[in-house]
Amino acid sequence: AQSVTQLDSHVSVSEGTPVLLRCNYSSSYSPSLFWYVQHPNKGLQLLLKYTSAATLVKGINGFEAEFKKSETSFHLTKPSAHMSDAAEYFCVVPSGGYNKLIFGAGTRLAVHP
Amino acid sequence: NAGVMQNPRHLVRRRGQEARLRCSPMKGHSHVYWYRQLPEEGLKFMVYLQKENIIDESGMPKERFSAEFPKEGPSILRIQQVVRGDSAAYFCASSPDRGMYTEAFFGQGTRLTVV
Repeated sequence: AQSVTQLDSHVSVSEGTPVLLRCNYSSSYSPSLFWYVQHPNKGLQLLLKYTSAATLVKGINGFEAEFKKSETSFHLTKPSAHMSDAAEYFCVVPSGGYNKLIFGAGTRLAVHP
Repeated sequence: NAGVMQNPRHLVRRRGQEARLRCSPMKGHSHVYWYRQLPEEGLKFMVYLQKENIIDESGMPKERFSAEFPKEGPSILRIQQVVRGDSAAYFCASSPDRGMYTEAFFGQGTRLTVV
């Protein structure tokens, strides 16, 4: 069965510094993987998705993630954090051969001035 | 094209009452998914429906919970005889097809509080 593990429940950075949110996956085959963002009291928005076409995936708002099969990782990065990036981020893997999504526990990103 | 619409946004129920949560998918989407988010946790899959059919209900509690997606109208998640442990945010997502690479669009959720 597919699963994802987010290694940090909370990450705190200063505005303008790099962001790294870590995600490891468990799968018997090369999965597709997503990152979603949830702003307070809002729905979820897709940031980016990996579908085996290219290992480095660029998403919205300057985020990107790299699929590393040897490390079973799909970490989310951004070169320079902005105050508006403060939110909860979820690493997600689809399951069941369709759009049934398995969510990680989430990483809450705080951005300080 | 309006997004996924969920209502109500907030719902307060006393223990033992029924809760009905509604979800109108995006126009042209016939696949609906319900997820539950308990405090400080990620979202957990509950049920997947395609117009008039339940495709996968493996995440639904065996009792008190039911879901439907009629030919006309919104999808409904129904919780009978609510208990305190049902307090959570319930999210609905929709997609135009069942492909695992197809983006699912989420509503803003219904926050259920059981008192």
